[in-house]
Amino acid sequence: GNSVTQMEGPVTLSEEAFLTINCTYTATGYPSLFWYVQYPGEGLQLLLKATKADDKGSNKGFEATYRKETTSFHLEKGSVQVSDSAVYFCALNDYKLSFGAGTTVTVRA
Amino acid sequence: DAGVTQSPTHLIKTRGQQVTLRCSPKSGHDTVSWYQQALGQGPQFIFQYYEEEERQRGNFPDRFSGHQFPNYSSELNVNALLLGDSALYLCASSLASGGAGEETQYFGPGTRLLVL
Repeated sequence: GNSVTQMEGPVTLSEEAFLTINCTYTATGYPSLFWYVQYPGEGLQLLLKATKADDKGSNKGFEATYRKETTSFHLEKGSVQVSDSAVYFCALNDYKLSFGAGTTVTVRA
Repeated sequence: DAGVTQSPTHLIKTRGQQVTLRCSPKSGHDTVSWYQQALGQGPQFIFQYYEEEERQRGNFPDRFSGHQFPNYSSELNVNALLLGDSALYLCASSLASGGAGEETQYFGPGTRLLVL
């Protein structure tokens, strides 16, 4: 079945550091790919998405490119802030969302 | 424009009891999906409702059931609660489209259920 494998955390960074969270997927066909973010005590917020190969999703300085050849959708941000501290989930959609285990990111001032 | 809303926000039950959780989708959305998120884990798909019918179901026992109303709101019912049912229950809404997996799901804040 379809599945997502996500880089394990936790990840601790200093402010203005570069962030990468790796995500690879296994799927039949070409599902849409998503990154969701979850702040403490809250539900999931959509961060960005890509619906086909080579699409780049971007939002709030975060970017991810749908790579069919490597079945990957890695999340990147060039300069993180303390407010980016959260849990990040990679997911694919084939009517239902299949999530990775989540990566906890802590940004220190 | 109201987003996805869920009620209640928190709930405490004892083993063997039954619980009903409620969800109102984002305005204009017609599809509701339910997920269970155990502490420290990613959400797991329970089921999805579209046109008042269960369209897809994940690997959850029959103790988990649902309903969708004509106004697209939805309920999740869990019978014979177990300690392991303690989790954050998330509702997500979307607008059905023709292609599999094209629609974007938007999540509510969740209902945190504790079973004692």
